[in-house]
Amino acid sequence: GAGVSQSPRYKVAKRGQDVALRCDPISGHVSLFWYQQALGQGPEFLTYFQNEAQLDKSGLPSDRFFAERPEGSVSTLKIQRTQQEDSAVYLCASNRDTTSVETQYFGPGTRLLVL
Amino acid sequence: GQNIDQPTEMTATEGAIVQINCTYQTSGFNGLFWYQQHAGEAPTFLSYNVLDGLEEKGRFSSFLSRSKGYSYLLLKELQMKDSASYLCAVVDSWGKFQFGAGTQVVVTP
Repeated sequence: GAGVSQSPRYKVAKRGQDVALRCDPISGHVSLFWYQQALGQGPEFLTYFQNEAQLDKSGLPSDRFFAERPEGSVSTLKIQRTQQEDSAVYLCASNRDTTSVETQYFGPGTRLLVL
Repeated sequence: GQNIDQPTEMTATEGAIVQINCTYQTSGFNGLFWYQQHAGEAPTFLSYNVLDGLEEKGRFSSFLSRSKGYSYLLLKELQMKDSASYLCAVVDSWGKFQFGAGTQVVVTP
């Protein structure tokens, strides 16, 4: 695709429900990032993949958060037993690689509301 | 990003100039990015500085001083469509992007 796509765009979940958020990066992009953005704040780093390898998951707030990218393209962020504090926009970004610094290209985000 | 500071909000009139400051303290430095984010949309790339000095790109310019841990984004000839949040992001020595909370710019007629 021309850009990074994410689905669903909006998700309402009841507290305790599991959710799965999908990210389709730009074709050929090696690196993929997940961020959490609360209202009025900047994106906060969650995790990073290079191809299928998850190289950094230091930003995942708890063991309820899990991310995968099994074939090195599409990625899924899963949140188990959602809590109200998980309500935020989840942004996915990709770029060609990290051997040199370059901009990340962001998707439109998934807006998650936990009731 | 707790180590990246930028003002919360700035208001300016159409046609004016606004300067958004960003100060940072991070573990190592591999460059600084500015992004624009309209409400409900993805951040989009505006500029990148890795060396000291001014980078000019049309109505937008960005300045960096590594010794001072300081950058600014200059928006000239403001237009209504420039109303958005502007995010400062620093790349640390591990290649990780750390974002500021964003500066909401409000352009009034």
